[in-house]
Amino acid sequence: KQEVTQIPAALSVPEGENLVLNCSFTDSAIYNLQWFRQDPGKGLTSLLLIQSSQREQTSGRLNASLDKSSGRSTLYIAASQPGDSATYLCAVRPRGNNRLAFGKGNQVVVIP
Amino acid sequence: EPEVTQTPSHQVTQMGQEVILRCVPISNHLYFYWYRQILGQKVEFLVSFYNNEISEKSEIFDDQFSVERPDGSNFTLKIRSTKLEDSAMYFCATGPGSTDTQYFGPGTRLTVL
Repeated sequence: KQEVTQIPAALSVPEGENLVLNCSFTDSAIYNLQWFRQDPGKGLTSLLLIQSSQREQTSGRLNASLDKSSGRSTLYIAASQPGDSATYLCAVRPRGNNRLAFGKGNQVVVIP
Repeated sequence: EPEVTQTPSHQVTQMGQEVILRCVPISNHLYFYWYRQILGQKVEFLVSFYNNEISEKSEIFDDQFSVERPDGSNFTLKIRSTKLEDSAMYFCATGPGSTDTQYFGPGTRLTVL
């Protein structure tokens, strides 16, 4: 069974600092990995999707890397802003499955 | 930009009652999913649906749960006899292909009393 872990569970950073969020998964047999943002009491907003054959994806200030063999992904958010405060969820799509397996999230607070 | 929509946003029900949660997928998407998130816990997969049938379901998705596309546009999740432990946020997600990005709706908060 695929297990997804996100470290740290929570962090606070001053505005302008770069954010580094880590995700690890136990089974490297995946189709893809997706990063989401979740605001309190709200739905999930897809940020980036990395296919298993890719090493990274970029969108604006966001960059996500994937090291499938070691079961790790990292989400970098450059020059953080207070509006980046949210919970960031990592989810993997195991091979042979339709489902996404989620981590518990990294809860981020960016201090103005 | 097209979005997945869900109704109602919040549903309060008594234990043992039936509830139906509704989702309107993005129009050209073919794959549909339900997930739930109990407060403070991980988002959990319930079921996936493709070509008018269930393609995969989790151990959570027992006989109390069912899904359907009653009119070719809405996608519904029915819980026949709700339990206290069914209280959660239920998310609908849709995708154009089986390995593409899954787009999530805003969720329905179900409270079972």
